Amino acid sequence: KAGVTQTPRYLIKTRGQQVTLSCSPISGHRSVSWYQQTPGQGLQFLFEYFSETQRNKGNFPGRFSGRQFSNSRSEMNVSTLELGDSALYLCASSLHGDSFSGNTIYFGEGSWLTVV
Amino acid sequence: QQQVKQSPQSLIVQKGGISIINCAYENTAFDYFPWYQQFPGKGPALLIAIRPDVSEKKEGRFTISFNKSAKQFSLHIMDSQPGDSATYFCAATGAGGTSYGKLTFGQGTILTVHP
Repeated sequence: KAGVTQTPRYLIKTRGQQVTLSCSPISGHRSVSWYQQTPGQGLQFLFEYFSETQRNKGNFPGRFSGRQFSNSRSEMNVSTLELGDSALYLCASSLHGDSFSGNTIYFGEGSWLTVV
Repeated sequence: QQQVKQSPQSLIVQKGGISIINCAYENTAFDYFPWYQQFPGKGPALLIAIRPDVSEKKEGRFTISFNKSAKQFSLHIMDSQPGDSATYFCAATGAGGTSYGKLTFGQGTILTVHP
């Protein structure tokens, strides 16, 4: 069973540009979450999608957005990039995105974004 | 109230020793507590998880101890091996609502196991 797949793995963007990152969840998983990982702030939750609907959102500015498609694949977009957006962006998937069923959240290997 | 506090920040142990990492939380709505292991250049991988209705869970060399009244939980790695050298994160989440898909992570512990 293939894991969570993220593309691209590495990218360099210029301040002010925008970027789109892609995520393919584990087959059958309908919940997709996005996280930002930085040395200073650690792992921080961006948002979660389930059946094409955003159900939860973290404390990030509106420049960070996402969407989910009918096949559960997801994209996140960051507009007007700032130097501080340089980070590892992680996608995670699970069956339901809810701890009630104790279902495991699986992470991809991430997309390394460098803003120069 | 959403924080998970993790200690120590870094830990050095000798091969064969016991590694202990501690976490504390405040939000009593948390009901699922996983531990993740992350190697450089990789995403976090689930090691072991526990719910508050049990005080201990063991999987191989990894054990979670959970103290509900103190709102603390810890990871014990027995017979630590150089291959265990990685960053370990504790996390917590709850059911539904503002917890959908959201893990609240500790700041991480960099474990180094010397041969």
